[in-house]
Amino acid sequence: AQSVTQPDIHITVSEGASLELRCNYSYGATPYLFWYVQSPGQGLQLLLKYFSGDTLVQGIKGFEAEFKRSQSSFNLRKPSVHWSDAAEYFCAVGTGTASKLTFGTGTRLQVTL
Amino acid sequence: ETGVTQSPTHLIKTRGQQVTLRCSSQSGHNTVSWYQQALGQGPQFIFQYYREEENGRGNFPPRFSGLQFPNYSSELNVNALELDDSALYLCASSFDRIQETQYFGPGTRLLVL
Repeated sequence: AQSVTQPDIHITVSEGASLELRCNYSYGATPYLFWYVQSPGQGLQLLLKYFSGDTLVQGIKGFEAEFKRSQSSFNLRKPSVHWSDAAEYFCAVGTGTASKLTFGTGTRLQVTL
Repeated sequence: ETGVTQSPTHLIKTRGQQVTLRCSSQSGHNTVSWYQQALGQGPQFIFQYYREEENGRGNFPPRFSGLQFPNYSSELNVNALELDDSALYLCASSFDRIQETQYFGPGTRLLVL
């Protein structure tokens, strides 16, 4: 069965600083990987996804993520964080059937001014 | 293009009661998935419906059931509510059932007293 680990429960960065959120997955076949963001009391918004091809994927709001098969990782990065980026970030892995998504427990990002 | 909508936004029930949550999928999408997100956790897959048929189920008891209608909208029914059913219930739709990006609605927050 697939699983996702987000080792950082809570991260605090200063506005303008760079950001990297870690995600490690476990899945026997080629994974389909996603990052979603959730503001308090809201649903999930898709930031970016990896299905195949170029291992560096670009998303919305200036986010990017890099798929590293050898490390089973899909870390999310942003070069300069804005105060509006404060939210909960979830990494998820999808299988090829039933489109079931398995989520990590999330990383809460706090941005200080 | 209309996104995924869910109703109601909030709901309070007592233990033992039954509840029905509703979801309208994004235009052009024929697949709906339901997730339960407990406080402080990542979403957990409940089940998925594809063209009115259940197409995969997570580790949830049979008192969690669903329907999908010809217009691809969906319902989640939970019988014999328990306190642990208190959570945010998220609906996601996708263009197809396999390897497709899921787009989430805002969720229904259920509180069981």
